[in-house]
Amino acid sequence: KAGVTQTPRYLIKTRGQQVTLSCSPISGHRSVSWYQQTPGQGLQFLFEYFSETQRNKGNFPGRFSGRQFSNSRSEMNVSTLELGDSALYLCASSLADRVTNEKLFFGSGTQLSVL
Amino acid sequence: AQSVTQLGSHVSVSEGALVLLRCNYSSSVPPYLFWYVQYPNQGLQLLLKYTTGATLVKGINGFEAEFKKSETSFHLTKPSAHMSDAAEYFCAVSPEGAGTALIFGKGTTLSVSS
Repeated sequence: KAGVTQTPRYLIKTRGQQVTLSCSPISGHRSVSWYQQTPGQGLQFLFEYFSETQRNKGNFPGRFSGRQFSNSRSEMNVSTLELGDSALYLCASSLADRVTNEKLFFGSGTQLSVL
Repeated sequence: AQSVTQLGSHVSVSEGALVLLRCNYSSSVPPYLFWYVQYPNQGLQLLLKYTTGATLVKGINGFEAEFKKSETSFHLTKPSAHMSDAAEYFCAVSPEGAGTALIFGKGTTLSVSS
């Protein structure tokens, strides 16, 4: 069974630009969550999508958004990039057919560098 | 707000020695507790989790953790370290009903020397 796939693996952008990251969950998983990982703040929850609906949201500005498609693939978008957005963005999928603490399966992440 | 504290950002052990990684959480209600491991250039992998029931939880790769409500702790142990255990370890909590919105500690890097 293929794991969680995130593309691209690396991205370099400049301040003010926008970026879109993609995540393909494990087949059959309907929940996709996104996390930001930085050396200073550690791992922080961004949001979770389930059946194309945002089910939960962390404490991030509106520049961070996401969506989920009918095949459960998800994208997250960051607009008006700032230097502080440089981070490893991790996607995690789970069965989570109800709000419960299902096991999360993480992808290898997208490393975003903002110059 | 709930928080997770991992004592020691870096732990070094010799191969064959006991591994002890410490994790304390703040919560008035016992949350769900997790340990994840991250190898270089990879995502996180679940080692073990505590939800309810037995307080000693066994995970993969010989790791185990004990939930101690009175100490609000969930320390991770392994009797004998192996070189392949070198990685970063994260303790996380999930308040009941929070779903996939885990609260992670800052992580502990484990180094294993021969």
